[in-house]
Parts: sequence; C-alpha cells; structure tokens
Amino acid sequence: SQTIHQWPATLVQPVGSPLSLECTVEGTSNPNLYWYRQAAGRGLQLLFYSVGIGQISSEVPQNLSASRPQDRQFILSSKKLLLSDSGFYLCAWSSLGAGAFFGQGTRLTVV
Amino acid sequence: KNEVEQSPQNLTAQEGEFITINCSYSVGISALHWLQQHPGGGIVSLFMLSSGKKKHGRLIATINIQEKHSSLHITASHPRDSAVYICAVRSGAGSYQLTFGKGTKLSVIP
Repeated sequence: SQTIHQWPATLVQPVGSPLSLECTVEGTSNPNLYWYRQAAGRGLQLLFYSVGIGQISSEVPQNLSASRPQDRQFILSSKKLLLSDSGFYLCAWSSLGAGAFFGQGTRLTVV
Repeated sequence: KNEVEQSPQNLTAQEGEFITINCSYSVGISALHWLQQHPGGGIVSLFMLSSGKKKHGRLIATINIQEKHSSLHITASHPRDSAVYICAVRSGAGSYQLTFGKGTKLSVIP
C-alpha cells in the first residue's frame, strides 16, 4: 500500500544546532516529493520539491536545504537553526494517477 | 500560480450543528484535497476530489470544477471534530505541485 513516514513528530532544538528531518515513502516509484512549512498563523508554504534522485528545486530561499539520496527518501536539513525556523514541517508525495499523500508532520521548536 | 482561499478562517459551532467550510481556487486543477490538522499538528488526509462528491462517515466533500469551488461539510458535529481543516489543490498538466489554503480553524463546543 502507499504510505509515507515522517519523523520525528516533535523536536526541540537549540539555536545554532543542526537539523535533519527524514521522510520515506512506500508503495510507489519515482514520486514527486515535497517539503512544506507552516509558520504560526500562516498556511503551508512549499519549501522544496524533487522530481527525482538528486534533483531538488527550492521555492523559497532560506536557512534550509533538502536532499534526495534515494528514490523514496527525502531529507530536510539545516547546518545551524535559527529561531525563525520554528514551525510545522510537512512532507508529501504525489504521482500521476496515485494522488497525493501526506506525512503526519514535524513540529519544530527552536529555543 | 494558483491562489487558494478558504472561508471562514475561524468557525465555532455547537455540538450537533451542520458545518460547511469553503475553498475557492483561481486556476484549473487536477485534484483537490481536504486535510485535517489536529491541535498537535498531525495531518490526516480526508478526501481527494477531482469531480462530484465524496462521503466518509459524517464528512461530505463536494467540488464544482466550473466554479472552481469546493466545500467540506460535517453533519452532526462533535467536539472531536475540532481541528484545522485545510484545502490543497494540485495543478494540472505537467505539475504535481500542491498549493494550500491557510486553513479553517473549527471549534465544536459541547
């Protein structure tokens, strides 16, 4: 079956520390993968999307980066977190004919 | 770029009431999603629509492609329905990118 796993669900990190959020999908091949962020009081905003291994497009310049080392793995990273990186991060995937699937999300608090 | 507008932004209802949340978008789409975000942030996918109407339990979702509009209805609302409901649209040919509405915060009071 088609599923998506995102972890961790919640994370508290100090300013200046690194970040790594991981998302993996099952039940599909060569999906489009997405990272979104929801800042407090705002809608979900597209950060990165990937149409294939090693192919990353950035929608919003920021302190974050994304990588896709394997077909079904999408990683969101930061070398040094800022307070403004706090928010809700959501991984999603979609493919033609299969619809779109969403991870449960990660609530990141930078302190 | 697709613009997605949801209304209302906030909604408070008494338990048992019939609830409607609306979503409008500006550009033709291939699919529309309704998502439920719980207070802790977790996301649940409720529906994916490309035409017509879908029903799951007390939830009903409809879409009018010509009017670029979708509604999410909750019948016999319950306090456990309290959440943020988010509309997301997937653009058409050649693009699978999703554009999200800002969400509707629903509070159902016992």
